[in-house]
Amino acid sequence: DAGVTQSPTHLIKTRGQQVTLRCSPKSGHDTVSWYQQALGQGPQFIFQYYEEEERQRGNFPDRFSGHQFPNYSSELNVNALLLGDSALYLCASSFRTLASGSAANEQFFGPGTRLTVL
Amino acid sequence: GNSVTQMEGPVTLSEEAFLTINCTYTATGYPSLFWYVQYPGEGLQLLLKATKADDKGSNKGFEATYRKETTSFHLEKGSVQVSDSAVYFCALSDRVGGSYIPTFGRGTSLIVHP
Repeated sequence: DAGVTQSPTHLIKTRGQQVTLRCSPKSGHDTVSWYQQALGQGPQFIFQYYEEEERQRGNFPDRFSGHQFPNYSSELNVNALLLGDSALYLCASSFRTLASGSAANEQFFGPGTRLTVL
Repeated sequence: GNSVTQMEGPVTLSEEAFLTINCTYTATGYPSLFWYVQYPGEGLQLLLKATKADDKGSNKGFEATYRKETTSFHLEKGSVQVSDSAVYFCALSDRVGGSYIPTFGRGTSLIVHP
């Protein structure tokens, strides 16, 4: 059973360019979340997709956008890249818990895409 | 808002030493608590979790107890190994609308020497 996969592994871009990162969730999962992890920091939540819609969003500008496809895979797009966008971008998948009660919505993380903006 | 505070690293230990990594949290609701581990060049792996007060999560010799009265979730291991060297992240997951959005601490680097 394949876990969460991400592509590409590494990416180098210049300021002002646009980038697309891809994620395939763990088999059976229907929810994908994206995180930005700057060097020496914990992951920061960007947004979460379920049923092909953005359900929750963290404190990130509109330059960050995403998409989820019918097969649950997802893309993260970043426009007008800034030097400060250099980070490890992590994708995590989960099975959305619709019932109330349990808050143990466990997320499985991919290995990440290392983005360097020059 | 929610927040997680971890002790700063690096924590440097000799093999077979006792490990404690402190974690405290602030949350408005009743979150679940997690410890994740990140090995060099890899993504995060769930190490253990606890969903309610007084629950103890455990895995691979690591333990943490959900202490609501002190809002803490300290990670412990009785005898560390060189292979435990990694960065450890404490996190809480609370319900926001219909979704559970985790909040992570900054991470604590653990270095274990032979």
